Amino acid sequence: QSVLTQPPSVSAAPGQKVTISCSGSSSNIGNNYVSWYQQLPGTAPKLLIYDNNKRPSGIPDRFSGSKSGTSATLGITGLQTGDEADYYCGTWDSSLSAGAVFGGGTQLTVL
Amino acid sequence: QVQLQESGPGLVKPSETLSLTCAVSGYSISSGYYWGWIRQPPGKGLEWIGSIYHSGSTYYNPSLKSRVTISVDTSKNQFSLKLSSVTAADTAVYYCARTMVRGVRVWFDPWGQGTLVTVSS
Repeated sequence: QSVLTQPPSVSAAPGQKVTISCSGSSSNIGNNYVSWYQQLPGTAPKLLIYDNNKRPSGIPDRFSGSKSGTSATLGITGLQTGDEADYYCGTWDSSLSAGAVFGGGTQLTVL
Repeated sequence: QVQLQESGPGLVKPSETLSLTCAVSGYSISSGYYWGWIRQPPGKGLEWIGSIYHSGSTYYNPSLKSRVTISVDTSKNQFSLKLSSVTAADTAVYYCARTMVRGVRVWFDPWGQGTLVTVSS
């Protein structure tokens, strides 16, 4: 059972837009920055978004992040078949069990 | 370009200690950032294990803290993970990653390719 809640799967057609949600609480998302990771099949995760909405160098602007209250959202526009992957959100949890936490992951299918 | 590479035994017996090393190239560990370990059981999600600064300061996942030791060797530009008393539940792909931990922010970039460790007799 992950501290952060993501939908198990989402799907959309090529060229369309998709959003992936990540829900937490005041001890994590509500008071800390969120990051997002893309894990292509058989590969290591890759940082897509950090500090809620910043993109590392080399990440296309088709990927965006936002945060409101205790939830965060990853948006992907202009979907490509190469975007099929698992996506994870992450943040710091400041509760008594402090530490880095991840969502359970969302599998994106580009139909 | 920062690169990380995990190494260590791919098979560990139950009750023994899992030991992995992460070699860092293209960046000096002593220059800053934390350095961390994350694992992923087959077919499951990511679990943070812990992170270390070049000074030796550490953060550990509270659920694993009693069994985990992360150490750093700045002379070799590498850091290591030891997980004691392993069981089948510790079977996972283990990743090392450069870690930003500062106040209210944490993120991992880049990641090593990962190494599968199986716990079995």
